[in-house]
Amino acid sequence: DTGVSQNPRHKITKRGQNVTFRCDPISEHNRLYWYRQTLGQGPEFLTYFQNEAQLEKSRLLSDRFSAERPKGSFSTLEIQRTEQGDSAMYLCASSAGLVSTEAFFGQGTRLTVV
Amino acid sequence: AQTVTQSQPEMSVQEAETVTLSCTYDTSENNYYLFWYKQPPSRQMILVIRQEAYKQQNATENRFSVNFQKAAKSFSLKISDSQLGDTAMYFCAFIDNSRDDKIIFGKGTRLHILP
Repeated sequence: DTGVSQNPRHKITKRGQNVTFRCDPISEHNRLYWYRQTLGQGPEFLTYFQNEAQLEKSRLLSDRFSAERPKGSFSTLEIQRTEQGDSAMYLCASSAGLVSTEAFFGQGTRLTVV
Repeated sequence: AQTVTQSQPEMSVQEAETVTLSCTYDTSENNYYLFWYKQPPSRQMILVIRQEAYKQQNATENRFSVNFQKAAKSFSLKISDSQLGDTAMYFCAFIDNSRDDKIIFGKGTRLHILP
């Protein structure tokens, strides 16, 4: 296992289109996080999962955003009707155990909405 | 609300010098974890060092050490003998396991190590 994998690495889409990102966490990591990072800023929490259960969603996550982790392994983040303000790096991280003491991050998916 | 504040947006130091990055946080909880993450240009974020709030001893990892002042809610990172490869964004982060496992990040400090 080489770490957290995110696909695609880059996505350019037209405003109004739907996009879906995938995150494959480290095997047996039961916790999975999604963050959004804009240029020069720190990661902003979007949502996280404990196994397949989505435990919390940020107020940043509008109704256009949805995340799933159907079998407690990989996760998808979908953005519907993309807007230019959605342009950002979307980061996924995973951690092991009930007490999350370290999160391992993927390289992110950079979304550009034109 | 739990917040993490990094007051230095950008810093530059000469190679081999020591540099300290500042971080303060706000929480009403007593049991939590603090982290420093490093994000090199165009590369993924990696953990540099972590500190459990219940431990009084400051964490160290080779050239990296922290100064954890719980009463002051301060958590600074010291990098000794800085190297060119230390050039990166550094994020201070906080997690409170008694409430949820949501990791809260500061806005980061961009550190340049100059040759």
